[in-house]
Amino acid sequence: GESVGLHLPTLSVQEGDNSIINCAYSNSASDYFIWYKQESGKGPQFIIDIRSNMDKRQGQRVTVLLNKTVKHLSLQIAATQPGDSAVYFCAENKGDYKLSFGAGTTVTVRA
Amino acid sequence: SAVISQKPSRDICQRGTSLTIQCQVDSQVTMMFWYRQQPGQSLTLIATANQGSEATYESGFVIDKFPISRPNLTFSTLTVSNMSPEDSSIYLCSVGYDSGNTIYFGEGSWLTVV
Repeated sequence: GESVGLHLPTLSVQEGDNSIINCAYSNSASDYFIWYKQESGKGPQFIIDIRSNMDKRQGQRVTVLLNKTVKHLSLQIAATQPGDSAVYFCAENKGDYKLSFGAGTTVTVRA
Repeated sequence: SAVISQKPSRDICQRGTSLTIQCQVDSQVTMMFWYRQQPGQSLTLIATANQGSEATYESGFVIDKFPISRPNLTFSTLTVSNMSPEDSSIYLCSVGYDSGNTIYFGEGSWLTVV
């Protein structure tokens, strides 16, 4: 079965609010995680990544948190905008940069 | 990041036929992979495209159905053979560098088999 999964398939958020997308993984030996954004009709777009020697990493309006104790990954989006509406995937490195993807969370931003 | 071009971007194919998808990268990359994304689903790794040697397939995918070539460090092809409607999917090329940079994806090739 899949080693990476997302807690909720959909998330509706008010424009301007913060979004939190969660992901659980099962392989405690995983050393690298990536978040992707996929808009309708497009390929996955890299958002942010984190290695297992880190707990937190920040980008532009996004933060990824890694809790290795409970094997949990989250993506926080600050001040969510309509352009953030998309499907978000977490991905785990199975080894040699072969990625295992979670089911995806659909984020809908309400105006 | 890499600029990854896939051709065709979309196609409608007759069942029983085969289609070859091309992936061209604007720079030399160490790693190239092919993924499948079935309608409304997540991504599944098909195989690693190895330069100058046979591809490495994941469980559930075989060379006869998905032959892959990678003649150099910037180009790869994936053929979907003897297609059936169940092969209707997005096929995605992804690349990475051995410097530890991340994995990037192309825009995908959207295939519909009728």
